[in-house]
Amino acid sequence: AQSVTQLGSHVSVSEGALVLLRCNYSSSVPPYLFWYVQYPNQGLQLLLKYTTGATLVKGINGFEAEFKKSETSFHLTKPSAHMSDAAEYFCAVTENRDDKIIFGKGTRLHILP
Amino acid sequence: EPEVTQTPSHQVTQMGQEVILRCVPISNHLYFYWYRQILGQKVEFLVSFYNNEISEKSEIFDDQFSVERPDGSNFTLKIRSTKLEDSAMYFCASSEVKNSPLHFGNGTRLTVT
Repeated sequence: AQSVTQLGSHVSVSEGALVLLRCNYSSSVPPYLFWYVQYPNQGLQLLLKYTTGATLVKGINGFEAEFKKSETSFHLTKPSAHMSDAAEYFCAVTENRDDKIIFGKGTRLHILP
Repeated sequence: EPEVTQTPSHQVTQMGQEVILRCVPISNHLYFYWYRQILGQKVEFLVSFYNNEISEKSEIFDDQFSVERPDGSNFTLKIRSTKLEDSAMYFCASSEVKNSPLHFGNGTRLTVT
């Protein structure tokens, strides 16, 4: 069965600094991978997804993530943090034989002025 | 952009009462989901629904839960006899095809007293 591990329930970065949110997955078949963002009192919004093809995927708001099969990782990065990036970020995985998407526990990103 | 809508945004109920949470998925989507998020915890899969039947469900989705698509537009989650531990944020989601990114509603916060 697939699973997702997000390292760090809270991450703080200064405005303008690099954002790195870590995600490792477990899957018995090639996975589909997603990052979602949740702003307070809102639902989850898709940031980016990896299905097949190019391993570096770009998403909205300047975020990108790289699928590394050898490391079973899909870390999320952004070169320069903005105050508006403060939110909870969820990594998620699914296998093409399943209907459900499995979420990690989430990482709350704090942006320091 | 079309969106998933959920009503009510907040529901307070007494233990043992039945509640129905309502969702209107995006109109051309074929797969529908319910997820829940207990405060401070991860987003958990409850059930997926396709072609007017449950396609997958989690261990959480026991006999007190049921889903229905009564009229071709609404997608409901019923909890027959609520327990204190059912207090959570319930998210409805839909997707165009299997394993495509989920589009989430803003959630219904259920408080069981």
